[in-house]
Amino acid sequence: AQSVAQPEDQVNVAEGNPLTVKCTYSVSGNPYLFWYVQYPNRGLQFLLKYITGDNLVKGSYGFEAEFNKSQTSFHLKKPSALVSDSALYFCAVRVAPYGQNFVFGPGTRLSVLP
Amino acid sequence: EPEVTQTPSHQVTQMGQEVILRCVPISNHLYFYWYRQILGQKVEFLVSFYNNEISEKSEIFDDQFSVERPDGSNFTLKIRSTKLEDSAMYFCARRRQGTDTQYFGPGTRLTVL
Repeated sequence: AQSVAQPEDQVNVAEGNPLTVKCTYSVSGNPYLFWYVQYPNRGLQFLLKYITGDNLVKGSYGFEAEFNKSQTSFHLKKPSALVSDSALYFCAVRVAPYGQNFVFGPGTRLSVLP
Repeated sequence: EPEVTQTPSHQVTQMGQEVILRCVPISNHLYFYWYRQILGQKVEFLVSFYNNEISEKSEIFDDQFSVERPDGSNFTLKIRSTKLEDSAMYFCARRRQGTDTQYFGPGTRLTVL
Protein backbone atom coordinates (compact mmCIF):
# COMPACT_ATOMS: atom_id res chain seq x y z
CA ALA A 1 0.00 0.00 0.00
CA GLN A 2 1.19 3.48 -0.75
CA SER A 3 2.09 5.89 2.00
CA VAL A 4 3.45 9.37 2.41
CA ALA A 5 5.60 10.65 5.22
CA GLN A 6 6.33 14.21 6.22
CA PRO A 7 8.94 13.83 8.93
CA GLU A 8 8.56 17.31 10.37
CA ASP A 9 5.39 18.41 12.12
CA GLN A 10 6.61 21.99 12.23
CA VAL A 11 9.12 24.02 10.26
CA ASN A 12 10.16 27.48 11.34
CA VAL A 13 12.09 29.80 9.05
CA ALA A 14 12.92 33.49 9.04
CA GLU A 15 11.42 35.66 6.35
CA GLY A 16 13.74 35.94 3.36
CA ASN A 17 15.50 32.66 4.11
CA PRO A 18 15.10 29.57 1.95
CA LEU A 19 12.60 26.98 3.12
CA THR A 20 12.30 23.24 2.67
CA VAL A 21 9.34 21.05 3.60
CA LYS A 22 10.21 17.38 3.36
CA CYS A 23 8.19 14.54 1.89
CA THR A 24 9.02 10.91 1.28
CA TYR A 25 6.77 8.32 -0.25
CA SER A 26 6.36 4.59 -0.60
CA VAL A 27 4.54 3.20 -3.61
CA SER A 28 4.64 0.05 -5.68
CA GLY A 29 4.28 1.76 -9.06
CA ASN A 30 5.09 5.07 -10.67
CA PRO A 31 4.13 7.88 -8.34
CA TYR A 32 2.23 11.00 -9.23
CA LEU A 33 3.22 13.49 -6.54
CA PHE A 34 1.45 16.63 -5.44
CA TRP A 35 1.81 19.45 -2.95
CA TYR A 36 -1.17 21.27 -1.50
CA VAL A 37 -1.32 24.15 0.95
CA GLN A 38 -4.04 24.81 3.49
CA TYR A 39 -4.54 28.24 4.99
CA PRO A 40 -6.62 28.62 8.17
CA ASN A 41 -10.31 27.86 7.61
CA ARG A 42 -9.69 27.27 3.93
CA GLY A 43 -9.64 24.27 1.63
CA LEU A 44 -6.62 22.68 0.07
CA GLN A 45 -4.99 24.71 -2.68
CA PHE A 46 -2.95 23.02 -5.38
CA LEU A 47 0.68 24.13 -5.52
CA LEU A 48 2.46 21.81 -7.93
CA LYS A 49 2.78 18.27 -9.18
CA TYR A 50 5.25 15.81 -10.61
CA ILE A 51 3.99 13.37 -13.19
CA THR A 52 6.95 12.74 -15.46
CA GLY A 53 9.82 14.62 -17.06
CA ASP A 54 12.13 17.05 -15.31
CA ASN A 55 12.76 16.21 -11.69
CA LEU A 56 12.50 19.87 -10.69
CA VAL A 57 8.97 21.18 -11.00
CA LYS A 58 7.85 24.74 -10.47
CA GLY A 59 4.51 25.73 -9.09
CA SER A 60 2.45 28.54 -7.69
CA TYR A 61 3.69 31.37 -5.45
CA GLY A 62 7.36 30.72 -6.24
CA PHE A 63 7.40 27.18 -4.86
CA GLU A 64 9.27 24.34 -6.48
CA ALA A 65 9.83 20.70 -5.66
CA GLU A 66 12.44 18.15 -6.60
CA PHE A 67 11.56 14.56 -7.36
CA ASN A 68 14.28 12.15 -6.30
CA LYS A 69 13.49 8.60 -7.29
CA SER A 70 16.44 6.96 -5.54
CA GLN A 71 15.58 8.63 -2.25
CA THR A 72 11.81 8.39 -2.86
CA SER A 73 11.49 12.03 -1.92
CA PHE A 74 9.63 15.06 -3.19
CA HIS A 75 10.73 17.99 -1.04
CA LEU A 76 9.04 21.36 -1.39
CA LYS A 77 11.30 24.38 -1.59
CA LYS A 78 11.23 28.14 -1.94
CA PRO A 79 14.32 30.34 -2.25
CA SER A 80 12.97 33.18 -0.12
CA ALA A 81 10.17 32.67 2.38
CA LEU A 82 7.39 35.16 3.01
CA VAL A 83 5.36 35.58 6.17
CA SER A 84 2.29 34.89 4.03
CA ASP A 85 3.66 31.42 3.27
CA SER A 86 2.80 30.39 6.81
CA ALA A 87 0.29 27.56 6.45
CA LEU A 88 -0.17 23.80 6.58
CA TYR A 89 1.46 21.91 3.71
CA PHE A 90 0.41 18.48 2.53
CA CYS A 91 2.27 16.12 0.26
CA ALA A 92 0.11 13.60 -1.62
CA VAL A 93 0.71 10.65 -3.90
CA ARG A 94 -1.39 8.95 -6.47
CA VAL A 95 -0.21 5.67 -7.93
CA ALA A 96 -0.54 5.68 -11.67
CA PRO A 97 -2.27 4.33 -13.57
CA TYR A 98 -4.28 2.62 -10.87
CA GLY A 99 -6.16 4.49 -8.19
CA GLN A 100 -7.46 7.96 -8.74
CA ASN A 101 -7.57 8.94 -5.10
CA PHE A 102 -4.78 10.64 -3.24
CA VAL A 103 -2.95 9.41 -0.19
CA PHE A 104 -1.94 12.40 1.89
CA GLY A 105 0.90 12.88 4.29
CA PRO A 106 0.17 14.09 7.81
CA GLY A 107 1.01 17.68 6.98
CA THR A 108 3.76 20.08 8.00
CA ARG A 109 3.01 23.41 9.59
CA LEU A 110 5.26 26.12 8.22
CA SER A 111 5.79 29.26 10.24
CA VAL A 112 7.67 32.10 8.61
CA LEU A 113 8.84 34.57 11.19
CA PRO A 114 9.21 38.27 10.35
CA GLU B 1 -7.62 27.42 -10.43
CA PRO B 2 -11.28 26.41 -10.84
CA GLU B 3 -13.46 27.49 -7.97
CA VAL B 4 -15.04 24.69 -6.00
CA THR B 5 -17.89 25.50 -3.66
CA GLN B 6 -19.40 23.48 -0.86
CA THR B 7 -22.46 23.98 1.27
CA PRO B 8 -22.98 24.41 4.13
CA SER B 9 -19.73 25.79 5.47
CA HIS B 10 -20.59 24.52 8.94
CA GLN B 11 -23.13 21.92 10.03
CA VAL B 12 -24.00 21.09 13.61
CA THR B 13 -26.10 18.00 14.22
CA GLN B 14 -27.16 15.65 16.95
CA MET B 15 -25.77 12.13 17.05
CA GLY B 16 -27.97 9.76 15.07
CA GLN B 17 -29.25 12.41 12.69
CA GLU B 18 -28.77 12.35 8.93
CA VAL B 19 -26.69 15.02 7.23
CA ILE B 20 -26.21 15.89 3.58
CA LEU B 21 -23.14 17.77 2.44
CA ARG B 22 -23.15 19.37 -1.01
CA CYS B 23 -20.55 20.15 -3.62
CA VAL B 24 -21.40 22.44 -6.52
CA PRO B 25 -20.33 21.06 -9.88
CA ILE B 26 -18.34 22.61 -12.70
CA SER B 27 -19.49 21.53 -16.12
CA ASN B 28 -16.30 19.94 -17.42
CA HIS B 29 -15.22 18.32 -14.16
CA LEU B 30 -16.51 14.79 -14.26
CA TYR B 31 -14.61 13.14 -11.44
CA PHE B 32 -15.63 13.84 -7.87
CA TYR B 33 -14.05 12.91 -4.59
CA TRP B 34 -14.83 13.23 -0.92
CA TYR B 35 -12.13 13.46 1.71
CA ARG B 36 -12.32 14.15 5.39
CA GLN B 37 -9.93 15.66 7.88
CA ILE B 38 -10.49 15.00 11.55
CA LEU B 39 -9.19 17.91 13.62
CA GLY B 40 -5.44 17.78 13.85
CA GLN B 41 -5.14 14.73 11.64
CA LYS B 42 -4.34 14.12 8.01
CA VAL B 43 -6.67 14.29 5.05
CA GLU B 44 -8.23 10.89 4.34
CA PHE B 45 -9.84 9.65 1.15
CA LEU B 46 -13.46 8.54 1.41
CA VAL B 47 -14.83 7.92 -2.07
CA SER B 48 -14.48 8.76 -5.74
CA PHE B 49 -17.38 9.08 -8.15
CA TYR B 50 -17.51 9.07 -11.93
CA ASN B 51 -20.34 8.75 -14.38
CA ASN B 52 -22.88 8.37 -11.58
CA GLU B 53 -21.06 5.46 -10.04
CA ILE B 54 -18.64 4.97 -7.19
CA SER B 55 -15.26 4.12 -8.70
CA GLU B 56 -13.31 3.71 -5.47
CA LYS B 57 -13.99 3.86 -1.77
CA SER B 58 -11.95 3.52 1.37
CA GLU B 59 -12.56 1.46 4.48
CA ILE B 60 -13.94 4.58 6.14
CA PHE B 61 -16.77 4.74 3.62
CA ASP B 62 -19.06 2.21 5.27
CA ASP B 63 -22.80 1.66 4.97
CA GLN B 64 -23.52 4.88 6.83
CA PHE B 65 -22.18 6.87 3.89
CA SER B 66 -23.62 7.35 0.42
CA VAL B 67 -22.95 9.63 -2.51
CA GLU B 68 -24.99 10.70 -5.46
CA ARG B 69 -25.28 13.28 -8.17
CA PRO B 70 -28.93 13.31 -9.10
CA ASP B 71 -29.62 14.66 -12.59
CA GLY B 72 -26.28 16.41 -12.88
CA SER B 73 -27.00 18.64 -9.91
CA ASN B 74 -25.00 18.95 -6.74
CA PHE B 75 -22.69 16.14 -5.77
CA THR B 76 -23.74 15.06 -2.30
CA LEU B 77 -22.34 13.07 0.58
CA LYS B 78 -24.94 11.67 2.95
CA ILE B 79 -24.24 10.32 6.39
CA ARG B 80 -27.32 8.40 7.49
CA SER B 81 -26.85 8.22 11.24
CA THR B 82 -24.05 10.44 12.45
CA LYS B 83 -21.68 9.43 15.19
CA LEU B 84 -19.49 11.60 17.36
CA GLU B 85 -16.43 10.42 15.48
CA ASP B 86 -17.88 11.74 12.21
CA SER B 87 -17.00 15.24 13.39
CA ALA B 88 -14.48 16.50 10.84
CA MET B 89 -13.90 18.77 7.88
CA TYR B 90 -15.28 17.21 4.73
CA PHE B 91 -13.70 18.26 1.47
CA CYS B 92 -15.09 17.80 -1.99
CA ALA B 93 -12.62 17.63 -4.84
CA ARG B 94 -13.13 17.65 -8.56
CA ARG B 95 -10.96 16.66 -11.50
CA ARG B 96 -11.33 17.30 -15.19
CA GLN B 97 -11.16 14.30 -17.50
CA GLY B 98 -7.70 13.78 -18.93
CA THR B 99 -5.93 15.66 -16.14
CA ASP B 100 -4.41 14.60 -12.86
CA THR B 101 -4.95 17.54 -10.55
CA GLN B 102 -7.78 17.50 -8.05
CA TYR B 103 -9.20 20.87 -7.01
CA PHE B 104 -10.59 21.07 -3.52
CA GLY B 105 -13.46 23.01 -2.09
CA PRO B 106 -13.23 25.05 1.14
CA GLY B 107 -14.80 22.21 3.09
CA THR B 108 -17.77 21.70 5.37
CA ARG B 109 -17.09 21.54 9.07
CA LEU B 110 -19.36 18.89 10.56
CA THR B 111 -19.85 18.90 14.30
CA VAL B 112 -21.76 16.00 15.83
CA LEU B 113 -23.01 16.58 19.37
